[in-house]
Amino acid sequence: GAVVSQHPSRVICKSGTSVKIECRSLDFQATTMFWYRQFPKKSLMLMATSNEGSKATYEQGVEKDKFLINHASLTLSTLTVTSAHPEDSSFYICSAIPPPGLNYNEQFFGPGTRLTVL
Amino acid sequence: KNQVEQSPQSLIILEGKNCTLQCNYTVSPFSNLRWYKQDTGRGPVSLTIMTFSENTKSNGRYTATLDADTKQSSLHITASQLSDSASYICVVSGGSSGTYKYIFGTGTRLKVLA
Repeated sequence: GAVVSQHPSRVICKSGTSVKIECRSLDFQATTMFWYRQFPKKSLMLMATSNEGSKATYEQGVEKDKFLINHASLTLSTLTVTSAHPEDSSFYICSAIPPPGLNYNEQFFGPGTRLTVL
Repeated sequence: KNQVEQSPQSLIILEGKNCTLQCNYTVSPFSNLRWYKQDTGRGPVSLTIMTFSENTKSNGRYTATLDADTKQSSLHITASQLSDSASYICVVSGGSSGTYKYIFGTGTRLKVLA
C-alpha cells in the first residue's frame, strides 16, 4: 500500500532557530502533498497544499514566510519552520495523494513530527 | 459553512464492550466520508471510506454507516480491545474546495479499560 514517511519523528530546538521536516512518499509519486498542524486534543488543521514544481498554497492565517514549503520532487516535500518560537510547538503531519488510478484522491498520512521549541 | 461534528467528544468503555461514535456533517457538495483511527503521537490511519451510494462498510470489528439524506454517519466498534484506545476522526471530502480537500471532524477520544 501507499506509505508516507516523515523525518524527524521528534525534534527539540531553541527559540529563534529553523527546523526542517521532510515528508516522503516511499512507493508512489505524489504531485500533491498536504501539511497539517495538530495541537493537543485537537483535530488536524490544514496549513498548506504543496504541489510539485510550483509554489505552495497556504490556508488563511498561515504565514508563508514563516512556514516555507518546498516540493522539489515527486516523492519529497519539506516544511521549514523559520525562527521558531515556543508557540510553534506542535505535531506536524503531512499527507500525500497517489496519482490517478491508484486510490485516487485518497490522502495517505505520514506518522507525524513532534516539534518542541524551548 | 462546511463543518463536520462528532460526538461524544470522549468515551470510556470496558474491554469487550461495543460502542458507537457519531458524525454529522454539513459539507456540500458531498464526495465521500472516511473514518480514521489516530493513535497518540501517530498519523491517522484509514478505517473505512464510503461514497454517496453506500450505506454501510465494514473493516473487521469496525462498521461504518452513512445516511446521506440526514448527513449522518456512525462508526460501530464491536468487542472492543485495549488497542482500540485512540482518537477516531470523521473526515468528509467535498465542498467548494473539491474532492481531494479533507474537512476534519473534531474527533472522539476512546479509552478502553481492562
